[in-house]
Amino acid sequence: EADIYQTPRYLVIGTGKKITLECSQTMGHDKMYWYQQDPGMELHLIHYSYGVNSTEKGDLSSESTVSRIRTEHFPLTLESARPSHTSQYLCASSPQTGEVGELFFGEGSRLTVL
Amino acid sequence: GQNIDQPTEMTATEGAIVQINCTYQTSGFNGLFWYQQHAGEAPTFLSYNVLDGLEEKGRFSSFLSRSKGYSYLLLKELQMKDSASYLCAVLDSNYQLIWGAGTKLIIKP
Repeated sequence: EADIYQTPRYLVIGTGKKITLECSQTMGHDKMYWYQQDPGMELHLIHYSYGVNSTEKGDLSSESTVSRIRTEHFPLTLESARPSHTSQYLCASSPQTGEVGELFFGEGSRLTVL
Repeated sequence: GQNIDQPTEMTATEGAIVQINCTYQTSGFNGLFWYQQHAGEAPTFLSYNVLDGLEEKGRFSSFLSRSKGYSYLLLKELQMKDSASYLCAVLDSNYQLIWGAGTKLIIKP
């Protein structure tokens, strides 16, 4: 069983609000990722981190930010939510110190922006 | 551009065998993953192939042909709980995962 947790699981919020999606893992994994997934569509990488104080942008990063102050915590922040942000957000971590390793996913945060 | 193709939806009968295909065109190749995702849940790892050939793991097998840019996931003795989406993902030359849109598998009694 993977120990990676996301909160909130569901969130409905108005346009223009600032939101932070939380992600924590208790496995000591160095690599962590944020993906966005719409129904029936592929996962899109938003941000990733290979360790503390390391963050990189993915394909859809321009409207969000992340931080990695502690190994176990990788929050994602949207400064000003828009209806186009309505989606499922998946956090994942990987145990490999090398380049390849399976991903362990959290249960996801389903965001609806009105 | 980079591209992963897999069928959108497949239907199969309980107890039967189904093969889900995945073709890819990526900048480099460092392995191919298959994940299972039940509706409303997170993806879970099924298999990883980096060399040509068949990898068997219980009822599930995964095949890779790097020269053809092709993989398939074979599910045997289908059970109702196998109803899910199956995601194909390729690790490119930058060690970034490129994901397919997934194949929704419907199992009928």
